[in-house]
Amino acid sequence: DTAVSQTPKYLVTQMGNDKSIKCEQNLGHDTMYWYKQDSKKFLKIMFSYNNKELIINETVPNRFSPKSPDKAHLNLHINSLELGDSAVYFCASSQLTGDQPQHFGDGTRLSIL
Amino acid sequence: GEDVEQSLFLSVREGDSSVINCTYTDSSSTYLYWYKQEPGAGLQLLTYIFSNMDMKQDQRLTVLLNKKDKHLSLRIADTQTGDSAIYFCAESQSGYNKLIFGAGTRLAVHP
Repeated sequence: DTAVSQTPKYLVTQMGNDKSIKCEQNLGHDTMYWYKQDSKKFLKIMFSYNNKELIINETVPNRFSPKSPDKAHLNLHINSLELGDSAVYFCASSQLTGDQPQHFGDGTRLSIL
Repeated sequence: GEDVEQSLFLSVREGDSSVINCTYTDSSSTYLYWYKQEPGAGLQLLTYIFSNMDMKQDQRLTVLLNKKDKHLSLRIADTQTGDSAIYFCAESQSGYNKLIFGAGTRLAVHP
């Protein structure tokens, strides 16, 4: 009965590879987000989708491509991974109407060798 | 501009009260949040306050908001070892609900 679930929890891969992280929410929310937490624990928003439409796109390299097949899923695909991509990536969801609080997944720890 | 600042560390004795402070710059923020992150875990929503309120209490947690000074605080009464974690302050802007986080305050509770 996990509200926001991400897979995988850990991802270790080599520089130059392409990888995907999946996120699903069962809260019935209409908006989903991706955040990046760096080694200093600083959290920054990357993307947001509302009802499958992109509404926030921060200054993120175009190697990162989010995809929302439906409003319960927001996946993150990363091409040509670089050392600086090592971080914890958090998915979140909320109901946009009424500025409801965001609920976060447990994170995916990505390590680039 | 968007900026949220917090002190980085706080150490308290078990049973004492903890007060974590946060300042923000965006006066159009609609909600302000406190999230807790335990080691290796995700972000847990602790509490949040609407910008037209000045106080919210939820069991051991008290949130105070001074909108004029753009200052938010989280008080944890009777702090326990299980409260040891990083506490993040965040503001959201109406519309896209984009969260701007502070750097997090690492709370250490000692016996």
